[in-house]
This record gives sequence, C-alpha cells and structure tokens, in this order.
Amino acid sequence: QSVLTQPPSVSGAPGQRVTISCAGSSSDIGAGYDVHWYQQLPRTAPKLLIYGDTNRPSGVPDRFSGSKSGTSASLAITGLQAEDEADYYCQSYDSSLSGVVFGGGTKLTV
Amino acid sequence: QVQLVQSGADVKKPGSSVKVSCKASGGTLSSYAVSWVRQAPGQGLEWMGRIIPVLGIAHYAQRFQGRVTITADKSTTTAFMELSSLRSEDTAVYYCARATGYNLPGNYFDYWGQGTLVTVSS
Repeated sequence: QSVLTQPPSVSGAPGQRVTISCAGSSSDIGAGYDVHWYQQLPRTAPKLLIYGDTNRPSGVPDRFSGSKSGTSASLAITGLQAEDEADYYCQSYDSSLSGVVFGGGTKLTV
Repeated sequence: QVQLVQSGADVKKPGSSVKVSCKASGGTLSSYAVSWVRQAPGQGLEWMGRIIPVLGIAHYAQRFQGRVTITADKSTTTAFMELSSLRSEDTAVYYCARATGYNLPGNYFDYWGQGTLVTVSS
C-alpha cells in the first residue's frame, strides 16, 4: 500500500487532455513538501517529468504540467500522443516516515 | 553528461546478501545525494534509502532499517547498496538515482541508473 494514492489507470484519445491525481496527507503533500512526477516507459528507468510541484526539466514538452492544492497534486497532459503511453508516478516526502514516498503509479493508455 | 552505470543482474539464495554498485560516468557524485529505489515485478517504485557520498552519511527507509546498507567510495564516483537476509519478495529491479542537494525532503531524482535485476530463488 503506497503512502500516496494514484488511480491505477487513466486513458484518453490522441489530442485529448488527461489528468492524474496524487492524494496524500497532512504529513506529506499537505505539510507543504514538494511533489515530483516521473514517467516510466516499459522496461526503462523512470524519467523526471515535473519537479517542485510545477517545474519542467529542460527537454520536457510543455504539454506536461503539474499543480498542487491542499493534500493533493495533479499531473496534466494535453495534446495526448501515442508516445505518452507509460506509467506515471508522483513522489514527495513524508515527515512521519522521515523518508521519500511514491504513489502507486498510474498506467496511461492512449 | 553524467550517466549512472549499475552492476549486472544477480541471482541469490534466500537468506543471503546482495551488493549492487552504481558508478558515475562522466563526473562524480561529490555534490549530490544518491538514493536507491526498487521495483518488484509489475509493481510500483519503493524508496530504500540514500547516501551523501562526500559526507558518507546514509539514511534508510524505516521498513529496510537493519537490512540495508548504503555506502560510497572515497572517490565519490561509486555508490553501493547491500541488502541482507534476502527473501523471495526482494526479487526486484534495483535503481540508483541522483538527487541534487542534500536536503532529503526536497530531493527529487534527475538521473537514474539503468536498473539491476536481483532474483531471489532457491
């Protein structure tokens, strides 16, 4: 059972917009700790997609955006493309565990 | 461009230990922290702990305390993760990942190793 809760799967047609939620608690996201997002393509290592709630590393398309409110965060993907089909993970820090925590992952089907 | 290159796949017996290495190619880890994250087959990501190589200070996830040891060599180019008392549930791909900065609550992982499959089987 992951500390951060994500939907197991989401889907969308090419060109559409989807959002992936990441629900936490008062000891992680709700405590103000940053949320980061990763994309994992099949049989590859995760890739940093969003850091510090809303920031995109160089090279990540602006179709990807992050937001945070209260004890939850979201990743939005606009203009869906077939290559976006992957698993997506949120990550934060939990003060009660004194450690890094991940969401359970969401499989995006395009 | 820094790359993290991990050691190869390994098969271990239950009760034994495994040690996985993570070498920085094209630079050092002297200004960074290195975390270890594992992923069981078909499962999500799980953080195990991290080390600040230049200081030699390690911090472990509560559920792995006492069973995992993370170290780094003095040249700060290679980090290691050793997991003991292996059981079948430890079968997973183990990743090392670089974090910019020493502040654990703010850590995110900008570079990842390619992953090392550890299989625990009798």
